[in-house]
Amino acid sequence: GESVGLHLPTLSVQEGDNSIINCAYSNSASDYFIWYKQESGKGPQFIIDIRSNMDKRQGQRVTVLLNKTVKHLSLQIAATQPGDSAVYFCAENIRVTGTASKLTFGTGTRLQVTL
Amino acid sequence: DAEITQSPRHKITETGRQVTLACHQTWNHNNMFWYRQDLGHGLRLIHYSYGVQDTNKGEVSDGYSVSRSNTEDLPLTLESAASSQTSVYFCASSESRDGNTEAFFGQGTRLTVV
Repeated sequence: GESVGLHLPTLSVQEGDNSIINCAYSNSASDYFIWYKQESGKGPQFIIDIRSNMDKRQGQRVTVLLNKTVKHLSLQIAATQPGDSAVYFCAENIRVTGTASKLTFGTGTRLQVTL
Repeated sequence: DAEITQSPRHKITETGRQVTLACHQTWNHNNMFWYRQDLGHGLRLIHYSYGVQDTNKGEVSDGYSVSRSNTEDLPLTLESAASSQTSVYFCASSESRDGNTEAFFGQGTRLTVV
């Protein structure tokens, strides 16, 4: 079946180091991928996205890499800060028709930033 | 500014009661979704809608229903609340245009069934 999963449930990183959060997906029909950050007691917040026809996209301190050959997605956070501590979800968007699409989420990875 | 809001933020109800959670978005998005979030399960899709009068079942739809009478609202109803439905519920809306998809989440509703 269709699924989106994550390799590591918890990642502990020292402040200032780079973080890499990985995600595997199984649906080749997914046309769009999104990384979300969820802080305690809040809804998921958009971080960065990437279309399936791209293999890399950069934002402010974040980079998403997409490897369609092995159906793998990663989120890289540069110079990790205490404020980056949260749960991170990858999601894949499957276009149904026209503007209709469905988001499917993985389990999530908790990022802990240590001082 | 456009937004998506859920109400109530917290709800305690008794087993067997009918409960409705509200979701309202002003993004004018056609797609709306309800997810539940439980420890160890991430976000699981309950129901979703691609437009007015359209509703679809997600992976964990048993015991839930939705209706879409306008673009802005997708209320989620628990027909007869069960303790297994204690969870945090998130509503989201999205739109895919010109190859891009924007998707936004509400702040969540914490439901406790006692």
